[in-house]
Amino acid sequence: DQQVKQNSPSLSVQEGRISILNCDYTNSMFDYFLWYKKYPAEGPTFLISISSIKDKNEDGRFTVFLNKSAKHLSLHIVPSQPGDSAVYFCAASAHGTYKYIFGTGTRLKVLA
Amino acid sequence: DTAVSQTPKYLVTQMGNDKSIKCEQNLGHDTMYWYKQDSKKFLKIMFSYNNKELIINETVPNRFSPKSPDKAHLNLHINSLELGDSAVYFCASSRDNRGVKGYTFGSGTRLTVV
Repeated sequence: DQQVKQNSPSLSVQEGRISILNCDYTNSMFDYFLWYKKYPAEGPTFLISISSIKDKNEDGRFTVFLNKSAKHLSLHIVPSQPGDSAVYFCAASAHGTYKYIFGTGTRLKVLA
Repeated sequence: DTAVSQTPKYLVTQMGNDKSIKCEQNLGHDTMYWYKQDSKKFLKIMFSYNNKELIINETVPNRFSPKSPDKAHLNLHINSLELGDSAVYFCASSRDNRGVKGYTFGSGTRLTVV
């Protein structure tokens, strides 16, 4: 039972345009969410987080939106750059637990 | 100066062998983790230690045993390796046991059991 789903395995976007990566979850107890970026042969790198008390968090070119009623979050990258080409994972955690459940990732390719 | 370093990067071994993967972090973080990424790319937590105390022990075979000699180190020992143990194993650390500022991951150890 995959509680965190990233239904798009891959996404291609032109440089300079917006990249939107989606993540859905099923557990209503999740209250904290993280996004990671992963390059080949490296470990995931933390990008941005959001708590369930917010519906938006912004950090430079990266914005995460949370829709609790739909159990959906998305990561927006504007403008997209070739260096953003990587696999992006979302992860969710429930209060009182010490672990994150990861999605299977979306491979983003930003075309120059 | 790598923040979370794990060794070896690659490990090829025969079924039935015992092997260890080492992890060290120099960030002063209190919590360390072992994650397994399988062939379907699922990243699943295996263990977590907070200040040398085990706080997460997921359903993994007891052939897998973590050892934390101090809060900067979390090693993973695997007995009687099986083909299904082939995966990439990631060590990670975080400032707190909730990881609200995210984890810092090592670059992974690709284990291949033949």
